[in-house]
Amino acid sequence: QITLKESGPTLVKPTQTLTLTCTFSGFSLSTSGVGVGWIRQPPGKALEWLALIYWNDDKRYSPSLKSRLTITKDTSKNQVVLTMTNMDPVDTATYYCAHWTTVTRDWYFDLWGRGTLVTVSS
Amino acid sequence: QSVLTQPPSVSGAPGQRVTISCTGSSSNIGAGYDVHWYQQLPGTAPKLLIYGNSNRPSGVPDRFSGSKSGTSASLAITGLQAEDEADYYCQSYDSSLSGLYVFGTGTKVTVL
Repeated sequence: QITLKESGPTLVKPTQTLTLTCTFSGFSLSTSGVGVGWIRQPPGKALEWLALIYWNDDKRYSPSLKSRLTITKDTSKNQVVLTMTNMDPVDTATYYCAHWTTVTRDWYFDLWGRGTLVTVSS
Repeated sequence: QSVLTQPPSVSGAPGQRVTISCTGSSSNIGAGYDVHWYQQLPGTAPKLLIYGNSNRPSGVPDRFSGSKSGTSASLAITGLQAEDEADYYCQSYDSSLSGLYVFGTGTKVTVL
């Protein structure tokens, strides 16, 4: 059974760096064909894809946020960490991590964490 | 603004059929990339509903079906039930500078 759980601060100040951790179980990020991604959702708004990391350490970032994002993995701890620099109130959102997989040509998120709400305010 | 456009809302009475469109372009759906659909019940995390255009994960009722044609995709819900009231999002890959893995703008389904 695959589970994912996000953790991190609930409140950050503008200009600070946000660090979120996704702790997962039920799969290994050293297994071929597996990935973990981050998605966010501002209150009352749509989902926005942020970043992905694959089992082979390949990484992908949203072009609009690429300069601010870093995604890393710790296979031994079953964790994926996302950092976002220079936080702004518009970054207030629920941040989700999700299991990234494929059985066809293309990839998709088949299992999601419950999300963590991050508020950016001074 | 997302490169995948969905109607903000659709509604239907219990038992009816509703469809949600996901309109893209030649750099995403029209380029042959798969479309996936997610259901987000109020106050919960999204859940995978359809993958690879028309495949249902185990446990998803066959009332939900997906299709793709040209630069658009659709999600159909037949025999609408009260528990289907939720937000629905499509997702695909985009090869332009707009983004790699993009979500649609989202559609709120209301059961009358």
